[in-house]
Amino acid sequence: GENVEQHPSTLSVQEGDSAVIKCTYSDSASNYFPWYKQELGKRPQLIIDIRSNVGEKKDQRIAVTLNKTAKHFSLHITETQPEDSAVYFCAASRYDKIIFGKGTRLHILP
Amino acid sequence: GAVVSQHPSWVICKSGTSVKIECRSLDFQATTMFWYRQFPKQSLMLMATSNEGSKATYEQGVEKDKFLINHASLTLSTLTVTSAHPEDSSFYICSARDIGRGNNSPLHFGNGTRLTVT
Repeated sequence: GENVEQHPSTLSVQEGDSAVIKCTYSDSASNYFPWYKQELGKRPQLIIDIRSNVGEKKDQRIAVTLNKTAKHFSLHITETQPEDSAVYFCAASRYDKIIFGKGTRLHILP
Repeated sequence: GAVVSQHPSWVICKSGTSVKIECRSLDFQATTMFWYRQFPKQSLMLMATSNEGSKATYEQGVEKDKFLINHASLTLSTLTVTSAHPEDSSFYICSARDIGRGNNSPLHFGNGTRLTVT
């Protein structure tokens, strides 16, 4: 089955700087890669997703890149703000169930 | 947008009792719903895939007789934790996809149920 690895587990960045979270997946047939943000005690919220026929997608301060050959994808957050502090999960899917990475706890430092 | 309603949001029960958690898609239909479990500071671990009108598919290591899943309609799936024990205490979250948007569409999550077994 699919296995998703996510790094780093914890990331601290100065407010205004960029944050990058990286994930790798094992199943070359996976074709959908969503990213979720989870605040403490709340449900995960989809922030951006990318499909395997696209190499990059951007939505304001958030961007995701996908390298199918290397089977890795990354989340980029620019001009970070305090409200970006949360746990971020990458995930991979092949037509059905979605498998999550272990998560990255992002701290935005004032 | 698509809404998934999950109840109860929290429950405390005594060891040995059973607890039922409901997951409803309010404005879309879902032939498949997914049940995840999340321990503190850990990731969402897929427990099982709930299939409307047929048996659920359980992930390796998840006891199907302990975690009973019923998906009787296109908008409702239930998870029953039978004979709960303290180690079952966790955050249970259901999710669903809108069948009208195809298999590779976003998962919509319920608010989760925090189960505490005393």
